[in-house]
Amino acid sequence: IQMTQSPSTLSASVGDRVTITCRASQSISSWLAWYRQKPGKAPHLLISKASILESGVPSRFSGRGSGTEFTLTISSLQPDDFATYYCQQYITDPWTFGQGTKVEIK
Amino acid sequence: EVQLVESGGGLIQPGGSLRLSCEVSGLTFSTSSFNWVRQAPGKGLEWLSFINGFTGAIYYTDSVKGRFTISRDNAKNSLYLQLNSLRPDDTAVYYCARNGVTVTGTPWGYFDYWGQGTLVTVSS
Repeated sequence: IQMTQSPSTLSASVGDRVTITCRASQSISSWLAWYRQKPGKAPHLLISKASILESGVPSRFSGRGSGTEFTLTISSLQPDDFATYYCQQYITDPWTFGQGTKVEIK
Repeated sequence: EVQLVESGGGLIQPGGSLRLSCEVSGLTFSTSSFNWVRQAPGKGLEWLSFINGFTGAIYYTDSVKGRFTISRDNAKNSLYLQLNSLRPDDTAVYYCARNGVTVTGTPWGYFDYWGQGTLVTVSS
C-alpha cells in the first residue's frame, strides 16, 4: 500500500493552524498512525487509529479520516513542532510510511 | 523508563555482513513484539522486519528478504538484525521499535517506542 503525503514542505509561523494530508492507495479503514521526527532524533508516535492521541501528546494535535484520506492538524503551531511528520498504514504488512512533510519556520 | 538502545552499526564494504543489536529495558521484553525500521540519509522511513513476542512469527519487507535476519534473545532482553550481502543502498540509520499493543497484549502494526538508531554505512 502506497502512502502519499501533501504538501512535502510547509512554511508556517508560530501560532498558525496547519494541516497535513495523507492518502492511501487503497482503503486502510482507520489503521493509520502519525509520527513527528525532529532532526537527528527518532520518530515519536503522536496518533494511532487515525484519531487517538497518544498519552502525553499535546491536545493541539488532532487526526481525522478513514478509508483512503486522512489529515493531521496542529491547531496552534509551537516552536517544538517544526519537524518532519510521517503517516504510516498498519492494516497489512509491509507496513508503509508516507514520504514525510517538513514543517518549516516561515 | 522505557529504553531501546541500538548498537553494532559502522562502516562496512559492499558484500559484507553486520549484526545490529537492540537492548531493551523498562518493559516486559518477552511478550513484546519488535521491529527494525531504517532511514537512508535525508530520506523517509522504511519498515524492514517484525518479530512477534507471543507467536514468534517473523515478517520482512521484500527488499531485505533473504539478506537480513531478525532474531531475539528474551534472556538478554535483546533484539538483533543480521545484515548480509550489504549494498550501498542499505546505508541508513537503523532503528529498533516496539509495536503498540491492545489491552490483551496483541501487537498493533504501529510503533510506540523507538531507539535512538545506529548508522550503517556501506561503502568501499
